[in-house]
Amino acid sequence: NAGVTQTPKFQVLKTGQSMTLQCAQDMNHEYMSWYRQDPGMGLRLIHYSVGAGITDQGEVPNGYNVSRSTTEDFPLRLLSAAPSQTSVYFCASSYAQGVNTIYFGEGSWLTVV
Amino acid sequence: RKEVEQDPGPFNVPEGATVAFNCTYSNSASQSFFWYRQDCRKEPKLLMSVYSSGNEDGRFTAQLNRASQYISLLIRDSKLSDSATYLCVVNRNTGGFKTIFGAGTRLFVKA
Repeated sequence: NAGVTQTPKFQVLKTGQSMTLQCAQDMNHEYMSWYRQDPGMGLRLIHYSVGAGITDQGEVPNGYNVSRSTTEDFPLRLLSAAPSQTSVYFCASSYAQGVNTIYFGEGSWLTVV
Repeated sequence: RKEVEQDPGPFNVPEGATVAFNCTYSNSASQSFFWYRQDCRKEPKLLMSVYSSGNEDGRFTAQLNRASQYISLLIRDSKLSDSATYLCVVNRNTGGFKTIFGAGTRLFVKA
């Protein structure tokens, strides 16, 4: 019962490096999203997708790219890492926007030095 | 001002105590409401939805007050395992659909 799987769990990057956080779900959900969680800020939406081939920006999209080539996968790419991107990142999926249950991956702890 | 606000706590309570959290939201067009639970260094998970008439799930009771724009979560007979952060979540569909997470309230239940 995999649910939402995201990798890596921990990563340290140097300023300016790029990397991709992988996310996959096996529940055939149309809606997928990426959040970052910082102390005292709550979860903030980075990018989201309402289906394969469709992506859109969330609240804090700068410095991140996404793609949705399949229903299952929704990778998040950091283009040129900055210390301000040090955070915990969660991938999430749900059957559609606004439904009761959002399923989250286990999180990726990213430190940019 | 944040659109969804919660008292960050922490709330420190003994086992068996009753504890209540409130969450206020500023947009009167908000449509649906939820409580999520997040354990330390883990992902959030849905605890319960919040209905206008109030709803109960075992020791947990959620209520919505649309007039005053707040939702509440009451935990009765607290257990050690209830120690976690409780996130208030609000959905609205004005100017596009949006899900807003509160920053969370931390609860520590002590033996």
